[in-house]
Amino acid sequence: NAGVTQTPKFQVLKTGQSMTLQCAQDMNHNSMYWYRQDPGMGLRLIYYSASEGTTDKGEVPNGYNVSRLNKREFSLRLESAAPSQTSVYFCASSLYLLNTEAFFGQGTRLTVV
Amino acid sequence: AQSVAQPEDQVNVAEGNPLTVKCTYSVSGNPYLFWYVQYPNRGLQFLLKYITGDNLVKGSYGFEAEFNKSQTSFHLKKPSALVSDSALYFCAVDGGSQGNLIFGKGTKLSVKP
Repeated sequence: NAGVTQTPKFQVLKTGQSMTLQCAQDMNHNSMYWYRQDPGMGLRLIYYSASEGTTDKGEVPNGYNVSRLNKREFSLRLESAAPSQTSVYFCASSLYLLNTEAFFGQGTRLTVV
Repeated sequence: AQSVAQPEDQVNVAEGNPLTVKCTYSVSGNPYLFWYVQYPNRGLQFLLKYITGDNLVKGSYGFEAEFNKSQTSFHLKKPSALVSDSALYFCAVDGGSQGNLIFGKGTKLSVKP
């Protein structure tokens, strides 16, 4: 049982390049999330998908897009990377949107130079 | 809006001593509260949650948390700390309409032998 799997684990981009972070969960969860973690700021929600077919903005959505490809997969795309997007990105999933614990992937460390 | 605060950036404890990691919350409506732990270079792991019922919630690895409605607090506790408990601890509150979990900034717990 893999849980939440994120790829890649590490990535270095040049300013202006694009990339897609992939996330898949095998727990049959309905809701999925993308967070970024920056020192001293905790985790901040970028986008979430309450259920298959829906996506919504979180606290810090600017510069990102997401796709809920199916119930298992939720991808995060950076169209034109900026140094301010240097961060550690976590994908997570939960059975429902509210009142249930989330399970996290191991993270993607992204550096934009 | 829902929010949580972790007033201590770091907590230092000697092995074998009790530990407390503090969390206060601000919510509209009933609070749904969570604690997560993050080990170096890993994703967050769920420890415990309070939804309703007993104010003392027991979780993984011997941790427990006390919900105090009058003080709007949800402090994490353990009777006897282990060196292996050293990690980053996050308190979180259900985000309601904001989507899933709202995290505090985290508290680094350091347990010395």
